[in-house]
Amino acid sequence: AQRVTQPEKLLSVFKGAPVELKCNYSYSGSPELFWYVQYSRQRLQLLLRHISRESIKGFTADLNKGETSFHLKKPFAQEEDSAMYYCALTAGSSNTGKLIFGQGTTLQVKP
Amino acid sequence: NAGVMQNPRHLVRRRGQEARLRCSPMKGHSHVYWYRQLPEEGLKFMVYLQKENIIDESGMPKERFSAEFPKEGPSILRIQQVVRGDSAAYFCASSPPGFRSTYEQYFGPGTRLTVT
Repeated sequence: AQRVTQPEKLLSVFKGAPVELKCNYSYSGSPELFWYVQYSRQRLQLLLRHISRESIKGFTADLNKGETSFHLKKPFAQEEDSAMYYCALTAGSSNTGKLIFGQGTTLQVKP
Repeated sequence: NAGVMQNPRHLVRRRGQEARLRCSPMKGHSHVYWYRQLPEEGLKFMVYLQKENIIDESGMPKERFSAEFPKEGPSILRIQQVVRGDSAAYFCASSPPGFRSTYEQYFGPGTRLTVT
């Protein structure tokens, strides 16, 4: 079964500290992995996707097929990074594009 | 482009009433997805529609729930005879035509349904 697990409900760090939000997935084929972010009082928006291998707002994520992980990292957290982060997957070319979401991790960056 | 629009933003219904949630996709988008977020949980896929067609309804409860995306007008998620367990945030997302799994989905602000 397709599943996305984000083990941490809340991650609290100080400004300037490194951040790693964990995401593990379960899928037998070739998934596409995404990170979505929801800032306070804003709608859910795409942060980055593994296929484009880009860095957005200083965040990066590497797909590790061996460990079935797609952890989100940033070397130096900023207060404006405080938000809810969701890891999600779609099941590749044969899929309808529906997203399977993890439970979400709240990132709290303290001054 | 105003983005994905959902209305109403908040909806209160008594048990047994019907709830109708509307979603207007972004201009040029022909794919609509509905997701439900129960309290303390992540978003769960419900249904995927294209104009006048339901493509994947594998996440829809078997009874009381239906969805449509007519040729003209918004997509509608309809919940008949609502129960307390239907209280949740319902999100709509749209994406452009093309290779579905690689296109970004743009989300609406959600409709928060409360059943009293």
